Amino acid sequence: IAGITQAPTSQILAAGRRMTLRCTQDMRHNAMYWYRQDLGLGLRLIHYSNTAGTTGKGEVPDGYSVSRANTDDFPLTLASAVPSQTSVYFCASSDTDSGANVLTFGAGSRLTVL
Amino acid sequence: GQNIDQPTEMTATEGAIVQINCTYQTSGFNGLFWYQQHAGEAPTFLSYNVLDGLEEKGRFSSFLSRSKGYSYLLLKELQMKDSASYLCAVGDSNYQLIWGAGTKLIIKP
Repeated sequence: IAGITQAPTSQILAAGRRMTLRCTQDMRHNAMYWYRQDLGLGLRLIHYSNTAGTTGKGEVPDGYSVSRANTDDFPLTLASAVPSQTSVYFCASSDTDSGANVLTFGAGSRLTVL
Repeated sequence: GQNIDQPTEMTATEGAIVQINCTYQTSGFNGLFWYQQHAGEAPTFLSYNVLDGLEEKGRFSSFLSRSKGYSYLLLKELQMKDSASYLCAVGDSNYQLIWGAGTKLIIKP
């Protein structure tokens, strides 16, 4: 089934630990995104990539890094997790050449930092 | 700054009609999107408006007025499965989406 796969589904992490959230898409979309979703707030963009080999900072990039070595994969790394990074993280992708920039989302990764 | 406003929560009755409003102030405009998100799940695309007017898609319709910075999502013949959060998002001048906090719609029998 075409779509986006995120891993892990959920994780409890000690503060100060390093964590990588994985994201893989099989739709050959050029653009990929990482969002965090917190109660009472809209989705907030962390980082994005318009094409393989390029990345950009979103609204809340501090404490996070990404890489886009190929079209399909877009991992998000927390170098040293802090409790404020407790959130649900969604990876998304889109074909920006198709007109409307409609995003397809992964199922999400729930991260708790203690 | 950029801002998307929508009601936090709405309640409606099964079989009825509900209208969810969204107002926005963004730097540039490249389309307005509505997404549906069931609890614990990912958002899924519902509709896209780039020109003023009404777009109808089955039981769901979306309206846009660019001059007023206003949109609404209209849901007809409500079903229990429509209980979800509805997210309004606007494409800004960089084609990035700015998201509202979402409207939680509760459907009662």
